[in-house]
Amino acid sequence: NAGVTQTPKFQVLKTGQSMTLQCAQDMNHNSMYWYRQDPGMGLRLIYYSASEGTTDKGEVPNGYNVSRLNKREFSLRLESAAPSQTSVYFCASSVGNQETQYFGPGTRLLVL
Amino acid sequence: SQQGEEDPQALSIQEGENATMNCSYKTSINNLQWYRQNSGRGLVHLILIRSNEREKHSGRLRVTLDTSKKSSSLLITASRAADTASYFCATDWRGGAQKLVFGQGTRLTINP
Repeated sequence: NAGVTQTPKFQVLKTGQSMTLQCAQDMNHNSMYWYRQDPGMGLRLIYYSASEGTTDKGEVPNGYNVSRLNKREFSLRLESAAPSQTSVYFCASSVGNQETQYFGPGTRLLVL
Repeated sequence: SQQGEEDPQALSIQEGENATMNCSYKTSINNLQWYRQNSGRGLVHLILIRSNEREKHSGRLRVTLDTSKKSSSLLITASRAADTASYFCATDWRGGAQKLVFGQGTRLTINP
């Protein structure tokens, strides 16, 4: 039981490049989330998926897109990376909305 | 804007002492959660307290909730070096949003 896994662990991009961050959970959770965390800050919600087949914007969705591929997987895509998107990205999942969330180890993204 | 705000932003104490962190929030909630984050890692859930509960314990952790003051506190008793981490409160709210909102966290340092 791996919990929540994220790939890659670390990525360096040039401005304008695109990439997809992958997240998978094996806990049969309905809800999944993408957050970003900037130095000394709390987590800010980018997008979430309350259940398979649905996605909604969070606090900071601009510049990102998401896909809930199936119940297990929730990916985050940066279409044209910008330096302002340099951050640590965390994926999380929960049984249902507003319940305990389980976090992945994070992806550190550096955009030059 | 963030729903929960932790206080203090940083706290440094000696091993064996008790540590108290506070969280204030703005709107009515269904539940409030506390998470811990060790440096460079994902968040780990500590305790969930529901709006109809006033106090909850888990090992050396004690959480209180005062809905009339819109505040919560996390007490760690008999602190250990391994408790060094950042602690975040997370709140939902009853406005229909299907997600948690995290505060900026309290950075706790336990000195040996």
